[in-house]
Amino acid sequence: NAGVTQTPKFRILKIGQSMTLQCTQDMNHNYMYWYRQDPGMGLKLIYYSVGAGITDKGEVPNGYNVSRSTTEDFPLRLELAAPSQTSVYFCASNDIGSFQYFGAGTRLSVL
Amino acid sequence: AQSVTQPDIHITVSEGASLELRCNYSYGATPYLFWYVQSPGQGLQLLLKYFSGDTLVQGIKGFEAEFKRSQSSFNLRKPSVHWSDAAEYFCAVAPVYSSASKIIFGSGTRLSIRP
Repeated sequence: NAGVTQTPKFRILKIGQSMTLQCTQDMNHNYMYWYRQDPGMGLKLIYYSVGAGITDKGEVPNGYNVSRSTTEDFPLRLELAAPSQTSVYFCASNDIGSFQYFGAGTRLSVL
Repeated sequence: AQSVTQPDIHITVSEGASLELRCNYSYGATPYLFWYVQSPGQGLQLLLKYFSGDTLVQGIKGFEAEFKRSQSSFNLRKPSVHWSDAAEYFCAVAPVYSSASKIIFGSGTRLSIRP
């Protein structure tokens, strides 16, 4: 049972480049989330999903897009990378009333 | 507005000493409460959670937390810390009976252990 798997672990982007952060969970959870964590800060919710085909904005969605075509996968897309998007990104999943399981994170630098 | 406050940004304790990390929340009703730990370069791991019932909750790695409704607090404690406990600790709340299970995190408390 792998839990929540994020790829890649590290990435460096140039300003204006695009990339997709992958997130997969094998626990059949309905709810999935993307957070960013800036140095010395807590987690800020970017987008979340309550099931396949359903997504919604969190606290800091600008500059990001998501899709949820399957229960297992919840990719996060950065279309035009900006230095302000340098952060560590965490994907999480859970079922209603239970705690969240987190992936190990993707460390992204935009230069 | 819903919020979680961890008033201590950084705490240093000696190995073997007791530990208490503070967490206060502002919420319309009693929420679900969590403590997570994040070791350097790692994701978050759940230490313990409170949903209902006994207000003293036991978690992994010898941690416990006490829910105090009158103080809107959920402080994390450990009787004797080990060097491996050095990490970032996050308190979090989530709405009960929410269809979205949106969790709000505190800004974290970094714990350092003095040899």
